Amino acid sequence: EPEVTQTPSHQVTQMGQEVILRCVPISNHLYFYWYRQILGQKVEFLVSFYNNEISEKSEIFDDQFSVERPDGSNFTLKIRSTKLEDSAMYFCASSPTGGQYSGNTIYFGEGSWLTVV
Amino acid sequence: AQKITQTQPGMFVQEKEAVTLDCTYDTSDPSYGLFWYKQPSSGEMIFLIYQGSYDQQNATEGRYSLNFQKARKSANLVISASQLGDSAMYFCAMREDLTGANNLFFGTGTRLTVIP
Repeated sequence: EPEVTQTPSHQVTQMGQEVILRCVPISNHLYFYWYRQILGQKVEFLVSFYNNEISEKSEIFDDQFSVERPDGSNFTLKIRSTKLEDSAMYFCASSPTGGQYSGNTIYFGEGSWLTVV
Repeated sequence: AQKITQTQPGMFVQEKEAVTLDCTYDTSDPSYGLFWYKQPSSGEMIFLIYQGSYDQQNATEGRYSLNFQKARKSANLVISASQLGDSAMYFCAMREDLTGANNLFFGTGTRLTVIP
């Protein structure tokens, strides 16, 4: 069964360093997302991406974050200068379409644990 | 106001019994989708079941069914014949379709423990 894959599964980085989290969405999906989950808290939306541009972003997704689809398969989240509070599980997700459609299930990857020290 | 409310921080169920995990939602959007995800201790987010606001019948996927009561704005997950492997966090989520956004709003989750 097709799945969303994420790398790395776990990364430890020093405060102030740049981090790139990578994702390979399901191949025929058109919408891509990043979510994060701080330990013990609920999952929060960061950004959605469609047709090579950001379609929606939350207030969490400030200037230190950026997303890119550098080629036909990868979708990346860059955190420019990490802070302690960026420590979280980051989930990539994808869906075949947007909007009200019974097939529009959003599938998540296994997550990337980011620990900022 | 919270868009998704899960009032049960923890639930216990005996193996082979059924369990209902509660979820209520709040939206003024006439078109929306409701999702349930399972998060085992390993951390991944596993899609379980989807219900569209216009779907006439309650969604079912194997041992999972969604008790959708639109007037009450509830979308409870029913797991039948619980197994030890069902022990996990369960998250209810909603997507509002007509706002143009495509993101999910998650609840705080319910930790289910299946007792042998």
